[in-house]
Amino acid sequence: GDSVTQMEGPVTLSEEAFLTINCTYTATGYPSLFWYVQYPGEGLQLLLKATKADDKGSNKGFEATYRKETTSFHLEKGSVQVSDSAVYFCALSDQAGNNRKLIWGLGTSLAVNP
Amino acid sequence: ETGVTQTPRHLVMGMTNKKSLKCEQHLGHNAMYWYKQSAKKPLELMFVYSLEERVENNSVPSRFSPECPNSSHLFLHLHTLQPEDSALYLCASSQDIAGTPREQFFGPGTRLTVL
Repeated sequence: GDSVTQMEGPVTLSEEAFLTINCTYTATGYPSLFWYVQYPGEGLQLLLKATKADDKGSNKGFEATYRKETTSFHLEKGSVQVSDSAVYFCALSDQAGNNRKLIWGLGTSLAVNP
Repeated sequence: ETGVTQTPRHLVMGMTNKKSLKCEQHLGHNAMYWYKQSAKKPLELMFVYSLEERVENNSVPSRFSPECPNSSHLFLHLHTLQPEDSALYLCASSQDIAGTPREQFFGPGTRLTVL
């Protein structure tokens, strides 16, 4: 079945460092891909998404490119801030199957130190 | 402000208690979801309602009983829970359009502790 694999955390960085959180997927159809973020004590918020190959999603300085050849959707940010400390979830929605059901990664915790 | 609210934010209950979680969405969406979030596990989809009809029930124990009286409200009724049911319960909503990936908007969750 479809699945999402994220790099294990926690990831600890200093402010202004470069961030990469890896996400790879397996899917039988043509999935859409999402990154959600969960700040401490809050629910999940959609950070960015991409619906087809080579699309780049971006928001709040974060970017991720849908790479069909490597089945990846890695999250990047050039200069992280303390306020980016959160848990980041990669997910996919398979258009060929049940569109209501998102397949989730385990989440990657990010801590940014001043 | 996500447009999805959940009450209560924290709940402690004994195994013999009966309680309910409430979710309300102010986004005009027609689909609502309950998820369970436990440490070290992927987010688990529990129930999905579309147009107030339950369309997904992922082998959830009967001690969890959902109710969707209208498109804006969703409840999760709890009875005779087990300690392993302690988790963060998240509600989400989306606009259900056939063939289109649905962006889900989440509430802040209810942190449930079963003693």
